[in-house]
Amino acid sequence: DTEVTQTPKHLVMGMTNKKSLKCEQHMGHRAMYWYKQKAKKPPELMFVYSYEKLSINESVPSRFSPECPNSSLLNLHLHALQPEDSALYLCASSLPKVLAGTYYNEQFFGPGTRLTVL
Amino acid sequence: AQRVTQPEKLLSVFKGAPVELKCNYSYSGSPELFWYVQYSRQRLQLLLRHISRESIKGFTADLNKGETSFHLKKPFAQEEDSAMYYCALNLRKGGSEKLVFGKGTKLTVNP
Repeated sequence: DTEVTQTPKHLVMGMTNKKSLKCEQHMGHRAMYWYKQKAKKPPELMFVYSYEKLSINESVPSRFSPECPNSSLLNLHLHALQPEDSALYLCASSLPKVLAGTYYNEQFFGPGTRLTVL
Repeated sequence: AQRVTQPEKLLSVFKGAPVELKCNYSYSGSPELFWYVQYSRQRLQLLLRHISRESIKGFTADLNKGETSFHLKKPFAQEEDSAMYYCALNLRKGGSEKLVFGKGTKLTVNP
């Protein structure tokens, strides 16, 4: 399996709902990421997990709660979202590589979950 | 500040014409730069990494540290190259790594 998968593909939720987004990879990558992408904008980093521990939180509101149950899974729990949170939520994973003696990190992206908050 | 600038929001060329998508960066260390592409209704995917100096789908990108640029070039554009292109800089923060993206350039290749 050489892909990052995300479920669901689409999600519509009300502002009082609780829902979760799921991301999975079986490539042995030890870093996983959540990004938010608004229409016609670049992805914006939300969270980074490294070896199942949260290592970066880009000052994301607490209504978004990430979880990394194991090295292959990443969840994003959603609660009391606002309409402006509607966006494409991308998951990525990465693997450090070495080329010609130089280290670099390469991220692989999932297809995203398109979230609409009513 | 560490940032990536893509000055062209939109770029339109005819099939067979050369194309250059510009990317400038601001970074105090030795940069790790990438080009990602997002075709319509497809996932974001890596196109090129500066470190490997390769050609993918006819595209090349050379890191110019003097001009702090990493422009993407292709000598003869094809219609299937139409997509959104993002230049990205990898930053190391607290033992983790994060990508900072430019705002993107939408390339349209006309028949």
